[in-house]
This record gives sequence, C-alpha cells and structure tokens, in this order.
Amino acid sequence: DAMVIQNPRYQVTQFGKPVTLSCSQTLNHNVMYWYQQKSSQAPKLLFHYYDKDFNNEADTPDNFQSRRPNTSFCFLDIRSPGLGDAAMYLCATSRYTSGNEQFFGPGTRLTVL
Amino acid sequence: GEDVEQSLFLSVREGDSSVINCTYTDSSSTYLYWYKQEPGAGLQLLTYIFSNMDMKQDQRLTVLLNKKDKHLSLRIADTQTGDSAIYFCAESPLSGSARQLTFGSGTQLTVLP
Repeated sequence: DAMVIQNPRYQVTQFGKPVTLSCSQTLNHNVMYWYQQKSSQAPKLLFHYYDKDFNNEADTPDNFQSRRPNTSFCFLDIRSPGLGDAAMYLCATSRYTSGNEQFFGPGTRLTVL
Repeated sequence: GEDVEQSLFLSVREGDSSVINCTYTDSSSTYLYWYKQEPGAGLQLLTYIFSNMDMKQDQRLTVLLNKKDKHLSLRIADTQTGDSAIYFCAESPLSGSARQLTFGSGTQLTVLP
C-alpha cells in the first residue's frame, strides 16, 4: 500500500510557466519535507512543514513555495521554472515524536523546456 | 556545517560482499542511516544506527560505526543483482525541530553477474 504518493510522476513545463507538484500521505505524520535531487547528487532539502509550521532552508530560492492545506497533503509550487530547476523532487514524511525514519515518495521528475 | 562523504562508485561480483563507506563531520550526529535508491525511484530506508551503537545487523546487512573516526560502513553479504542501486549515507543531529537529514552524494553499486 502506497504511503507517500507523489503526482504526477513525470511533469513537463515550459520555461517560466508555473508548476505545482503534489504529495499526499496516508501515515498521518507530523512532518512533510520537500527535497530537490539533481542528477548524480544527494537530495537537497528545500523546506519542511512541522504540522502547520513552515520551515524554509536558508538557501532555498524564493521561486519555490509550499502549501500544506491539511495533514495529508503538501504542494510544491515553482513560480517561474528555469532550466536549472529540472530535477527529481522528492517528498518525505516523518513522525517527529516516535522515530527517526523519513518515508520517501517515488518522486516527480520535472523537465523544463 | 555538516558534511557527509562517500565514494561514488563500487563494483562487485554477484555473491561477493559489498562494503560501502561513509564519513561524516558532525560530532553531534545521533542517527546515521543508509538509504537505497533504485533508478527513477524514491529513497528506501535500509537500516539506521544510533550513535551509541557500534554495530547493527539485519539479515544480509551489517552496519559498523566508528564514532571516534566518524566512519560508517554498510556491508551487504551475498550481493545480488537486485542490490544494484545508489546507496546514500545520511546523518541527523539530536537537536532541531524535525529530523533534519544531511545526505552524502551516494555510492553507485554495480553488481556484475
């Protein structure tokens, strides 16, 4: 049973055209994370939500925004995608109080034309 | 800041043991993890070790931690072709509002028949 679901798995957008990536979870976890992973690189944390509290990483560009309307869903909005934003975007969740494991979704591969 | 380093590539013959090494710099690291990423997929947690442990074994996987040298290794016994993937070492500190992970750059394991 899928626990962290990302839609779509593949997304193609045009340079400068806003795009939204979606993540949902069935684990009822407190924390949801968004990572950017470029080819042959480690995942890089963009931001995370601890419940409704948004925590942005210092070096995350303003072009990247996030929304978490409820416990289950979290969205990544890229306002004006550039060619350098082409990457795999990974969503993850964790339950802060009970463990140390982050559960990852399968990722969304973003292509910018 | 925290830094986690891994060698980029490892090739082994099917049936041999694989040893993937990782070094980290953050002395406050509390949890150390090994994640596996297959092509086009998200990250799957394989195992983790708490920093007060030296060794953890889980079926074919053995994790060794040398806290003094800040060195972590993952040994895969009887390596199979299905073990071919990228393996990420990651660490998280005790403090923080959520389990922040710092990943290494990943080791590409190739299992030769």
